[in-house]
Amino acid sequence: AQKITQTQPGMFVQEKEAVTLDCTYDTSDQSYGLFWYKQPSSGEMIFLIYQGSYDEQNATEGRYSLNFQKARKSANLVISASQLGDSAMYFCAMREASNTGKLIFGQGTTLQVKP
Amino acid sequence: GAGVSQTPSNKVTEKGKYVELRCDPISGHTALYWYRQSLGQGPEFLIYFQGTGAADDSGLPNDRFFAVRPEGSVSTLKIQRTERGDSAVYLCASSFGTDRYNEQFFGPGTRLTVL
Repeated sequence: AQKITQTQPGMFVQEKEAVTLDCTYDTSDQSYGLFWYKQPSSGEMIFLIYQGSYDEQNATEGRYSLNFQKARKSANLVISASQLGDSAMYFCAMREASNTGKLIFGQGTTLQVKP
Repeated sequence: GAGVSQTPSNKVTEKGKYVELRCDPISGHTALYWYRQSLGQGPEFLIYFQGTGAADDSGLPNDRFFAVRPEGSVSTLKIQRTERGDSAVYLCASSFGTDRYNEQFFGPGTRLTVL
């Protein structure tokens, strides 16, 4: 069964440093997509980055990059040069091509950026 | 352009009452999803619409929950005989398609509190 696991309930990082948020997934599909969303305290879900299962290169979007290791079924989010505004809840999610497109979310990781 | 909108933003009701939650997706998005997010958890899938029909309602917890999308745009999530365990944030998302790479755009959510 499809599943997303985020093992870090909370993380701290110093401003301007890089941080890695872990995500592992389980699926029997060959075609799937992996997403990271940010949810600030205001509650909205903000899309950050996408990685397709067939993409050979790791996805990057500005300060966000995705460390995709398909054999290990991991899709870790790397945030470089952390900013105070990065403090939020971060969710990893998966979408299987065979499964109506619904997103399966992990439990989330709370990131706090220290000044 | 306008994003996904949800009304009301907050709803407080008493146990046993009926509530309706509304979602207005991004214009032109044919796919619409409802998720439920309990405090400190990741969103959980409830139901998915492609056009006017519910293509996947496997996430609805029981028959007290029902959703419609009569004209293929606005959707209403209906909860009968509310229970305290229904308290959560109900998120709506829409996307242009259901392929694995189609990003889902989320609304701000409706926070439901059942007293």
